Order: sequence, then structure tokens, then C-alpha cells
Amino acid sequence: GAGVSQSPSNKVTEKGKDVELRCDPISGHTALYWYRQSLGQGLEFLIYFQGNSAPDKSGLPSDRFSAERTGGSVSTLTIQRTQQEDSAVYLCASSLESNRQLFFGSGTQLSVL
Amino acid sequence: GDSVTQMEGPVTLSEEAFLTINCTYTATGYPSLFWYVQYPGEGLQLLLKATKADDKGSNKGFEATYRKETTSFHLEKGSVQVSDSAVYFCALTSNDYKLSFGAGTTVTVRA
Repeated sequence: GAGVSQSPSNKVTEKGKDVELRCDPISGHTALYWYRQSLGQGLEFLIYFQGNSAPDKSGLPSDRFSAERTGGSVSTLTIQRTQQEDSAVYLCASSLESNRQLFFGSGTQLSVL
Repeated sequence: GDSVTQMEGPVTLSEEAFLTINCTYTATGYPSLFWYVQYPGEGLQLLLKATKADDKGSNKGFEATYRKETTSFHLEKGSVQVSDSAVYFCALTSNDYKLSFGAGTTVTVRA
């Protein structure tokens, strides 16, 4: 596609439920990143993929968070047993290589009630 | 670890006013510095960058100079327009892939 696509754009869920957030990077981009933007805070790094492997997952807040990338393309961020503090905008970005310009998607607004 | 501190908003200006958004950083080594912008309803996009000391990044009338001695990367524009209304984020990377962002500054320009 022309840009980084994220779905859904909005997700409302109940506390304790699992959610999956999807990211379709720009075709041919080998690097993919997930960030979280919480109200009143800056963007927080979650995880970085190079191809299908994740050399740095140090930003994942807890073991309830996991991410995978398949075929060097689509990535899914999964949050298990969601908590209210997980409410945030989850942003995905991709780049041609790890040291090249990042292109961001429009994000998924997650609301945990 | 790496961190970025930018001036808090919101900032409200009239058209053609001068805009400055202060940004200072803490980092190991020699980071690359960035300004990202998020227009209403859109995703983050790179506005400008500088990769070494004394470099000046510029785009769309915005400028920022990498000042190693003051660990700063302040964003400036001489004459803002309504279309510049957005949230601006200062960011850095020391390892080419992990960006550390400031909290963002909301700028509103009134006609």
C-alpha cells in the first residue's frame, strides 16, 4: 500500500479481554516498530522488528504484551487480559532499513473500560 | 539512558508570528536529532533532522540546529500559518532504530 496501515483505528474493550492490533507496513520495508502514545506523555518505544525477528523488545511493559511479524510484512501486537492503564494510541512505523526514515501509521486508539 | 525534554504547551499564536519550541536532550554518544509533526487526524511524519553537531535541519520554513554544547535542538519558524497547527515532537536516536520522544507540544495558530 501507499503508507503504513493499522487496524482497527479504534478499539473499545472490557478490562480482562484480549485484543489484537494489526499493522501493514509499506511494501519492501524490512524494519517495523511499535510505539505507544499515552495521554499527556510522549511516545514510548515498545518493540522493533528486523524482518521477522525482534532484536529489541525491551519496551514491552509486561508479559501481557507480545508481538509477532510474519512473512517480513504484517505485524500483530497482542495485549492479553487488558487493564485500564493499557488505554493509549498504539502506533506502528516501518522503514526501508533500520537506519532510514520512519513512516508512521495513523494508530489504533485503544480504550479499556 | 536517552531522554528528551521539550517545552510544554499548548502554544497559541497569531498568523505570521514567530514560533520557537525548545528541546533539550540527554544521550550517550552522538545521537541523531529529529522533529516530528502530527497534524490533526494524521499520522506522525518527519519534519526535519540533523545527524551531527552544528548541522541545521530545515523543511517547510522550519529550522533547528544541533547544538552539542547546550544539548539542544530548538525548533523555529519565522512566520507561522494556520496550517502549521499541529503537535510537534522532538526525538533522538543513539542506535539508529530506537527513537526517544519528548512529550509533544501542541501549537495552535489563529487567523
